Amino acid sequence: SQQGEEDPQALSIQEGENATMNCSYKTSINNLQWYRQNSGRGLVHLILIRSNEREKHSGRLRVTLDTSKKSSSLLITASRAADTASYFCATALSRYATDSWGKLQFGAGTQVVVTP
Amino acid sequence: DARVTQTPRHKVTEMGQEVTMRCQPILGHNTVFWYRQTMMQGLELLAYFRNRAPLDDSGMPKDRFSAEMPDATLATLKIQPSEPRDSAVYFCASGSTPGTDTQYFGPGTRLTVL
Repeated sequence: SQQGEEDPQALSIQEGENATMNCSYKTSINNLQWYRQNSGRGLVHLILIRSNEREKHSGRLRVTLDTSKKSSSLLITASRAADTASYFCATALSRYATDSWGKLQFGAGTQVVVTP
Repeated sequence: DARVTQTPRHKVTEMGQEVTMRCQPILGHNTVFWYRQTMMQGLELLAYFRNRAPLDDSGMPKDRFSAEMPDATLATLKIQPSEPRDSAVYFCASGSTPGTDTQYFGPGTRLTVL
């Protein structure tokens, strides 16, 4: 089963609104990352939050991490049509918890549509 | 502007034919990943290498898939023989470990097996 699971699966909003998506995971992590995938393209790294961090900002992106609940959220503020994409969370497992370190466990993604 | 490159970008072939996909990781990256993405299964890790050595290929059908890194600038994924169920987008990604495990993805190879 996938380590990261996003919620909701799909999200439709209008330009200017905020978009929030959540990610839950199962095992101890070293860090959690969010990626964006535009249609027909490869994934692009957006932001990384380490296991000892609770919140991180990058431009219009805000990521939170709650390790006690094993969950993370990605907030996109003042969304634009160009934010239309699929968003994936990915967890990097703690190298003290597994021999499979160096890999990322991707969730199924949240498809975000921003209409003008 | 360092990028992962993949060739070909599109491939249409007939069932039973051999398919070879190539990836050039970002110079200096020591970890290379191969993924397959479909609507039904999402993003699946097929195999990954560190310092050219295969670490995990448990996600790959062994009887028909093979992955290699002939040198640090080239990774290959071969399917022989190909089947219609192999139709998918195949992504290569590279990274540098130890580190943050951030991965940089190529544009993908869209494979259609008829």
